[in-house]
Amino acid sequence: QITLEESGPTLLKPTQTLTLTCTFSGFSLTSGGMGVGWIRQPPGKALEWLVAIFWDDDKRYSPSLKSRLTVTKDTSKNQVVLTMTNMDPLDTATYYCGHIRTWYSLRYFDLWGRGTLVTVSS
Amino acid sequence: QSVLTQPPSVSGAPRQRVTISCSGSSSNIGKNAVNWYQQLPGEAPKLLIYHDDLLPSGVSDRFSGSKFVTSASLAISGLQSEDEADYYCAAWDDSLNAWVFGGGTKLTVL
Repeated sequence: QITLEESGPTLLKPTQTLTLTCTFSGFSLTSGGMGVGWIRQPPGKALEWLVAIFWDDDKRYSPSLKSRLTVTKDTSKNQVVLTMTNMDPLDTATYYCGHIRTWYSLRYFDLWGRGTLVTVSS
Repeated sequence: QSVLTQPPSVSGAPRQRVTISCSGSSSNIGKNAVNWYQQLPGEAPKLLIYHDDLLPSGVSDRFSGSKFVTSASLAISGLQSEDEADYYCAAWDDSLNAWVFGGGTKLTVL
């Protein structure tokens, strides 16, 4: 059974750096085809994809946020870490990490953590 | 403004059938698989449909997906009150090199 859990700060001030950790179980990021990604959802708004990292260390970033994002994995701890710099009140959102499955050549998110609400305010 | 376009809301009476549309372009839906997610109030998204029309294990067969050229649809038959949720379509976009989502559709069961 795959589970994912997000952890990190709930409140940040503008210009600070956000660091979120996704701790997962039920799969390994050393297994072919596996990946973990992040999406976010501002209050009352739509889902927005941020980043993804795969078993072979392939990394994909949202073009609009690429300059502010970094994603890394620690396979020994079953963790993926998202870093977002220069946080702004507009970055206030619930951040979800998700498991990415590869089916033949197709990649898709098939399971999400419960999410963590991050508020940016002075 | 989302890359994939969905109606903001749809509604239907219990036991009726509703459809939710998702319009894209040749760089996303036209080339890549569409996935659908259900988000119940206060919860994380849940995968409903993958690869245009496939149901994950455990998802009710009242849900079905289809795709034609650059548009996709999610159909829900036999509407139940517990289907009230937000529904999102998603696909990979080859031009943007990014996963893109629709703006979401709120389903109300009358």
